[in-house]
Amino acid sequence: NAGVTQTPKFQVLKTGQSMTLQCAQDMNHNSMYWYRQDPGMGLRLIYYSASEGTTDKGEVPNGYNVSRLNKREFSLRLESAAPSQTSVYFCASSEMWRDRGYEQYFGPGTRLTVT
Amino acid sequence: DAKTTQPPSMDCAEGRAANLPCNHSTISGNEYVYWYRQIHSQGPQYIIHGLKNNETNEMASLIITEDRKSSTLILPHATLRDTAVYYCIVRPKGNNAGNMLTFGGGTRLMVKP
Repeated sequence: NAGVTQTPKFQVLKTGQSMTLQCAQDMNHNSMYWYRQDPGMGLRLIYYSASEGTTDKGEVPNGYNVSRLNKREFSLRLESAAPSQTSVYFCASSEMWRDRGYEQYFGPGTRLTVT
Repeated sequence: DAKTTQPPSMDCAEGRAANLPCNHSTISGNEYVYWYRQIHSQGPQYIIHGLKNNETNEMASLIITEDRKSSTLILPHATLRDTAVYYCIVRPKGNNAGNMLTFGGGTRLMVKP
């Protein structure tokens, strides 16, 4: 099992360019998430998808869009990148319907720099 | 969700127990305590979680006070590879759609030889 994979690992964009960050999980999890982490800070939730076919905004959704392509894949799109979006982006997945609570599994991250 | 308070940094000698405290004085009855850690540049890693009873797994032990207002994560024999930022997170149990984790500043644990 690869767990949660993310592509690309690194990306440099110019202001105004667009790009899509890809995420895939092979654990058959229902829920998937996108977080961003700025230097020296904790993670902040951008968007999440509780199950295939649904997406919802998190704490910091402005400037982003997401697509839950299928159960395995959840992509994050920056339509017009801004320097304030320079960050490390983490994708995560979890199993939704456990009674006791559940853990999220995180990918290795995508390091994005917007100049 | 209840907020948590953690010391910003701690040191621990290699081979000794690392005890990481967390205050969550406003926790409500349906909220779990979760611990994650983030080793430099990597994605966060789940460690353990609990509701009111103490919990132990292969990585750590979680001690929750009787009033549930604070908890301690214990790494019994810390190694250099345990150097990381440790996050204490409180969130409701159950099947709500969000399952969001709110990460604060965490505690930066430095394990020294």
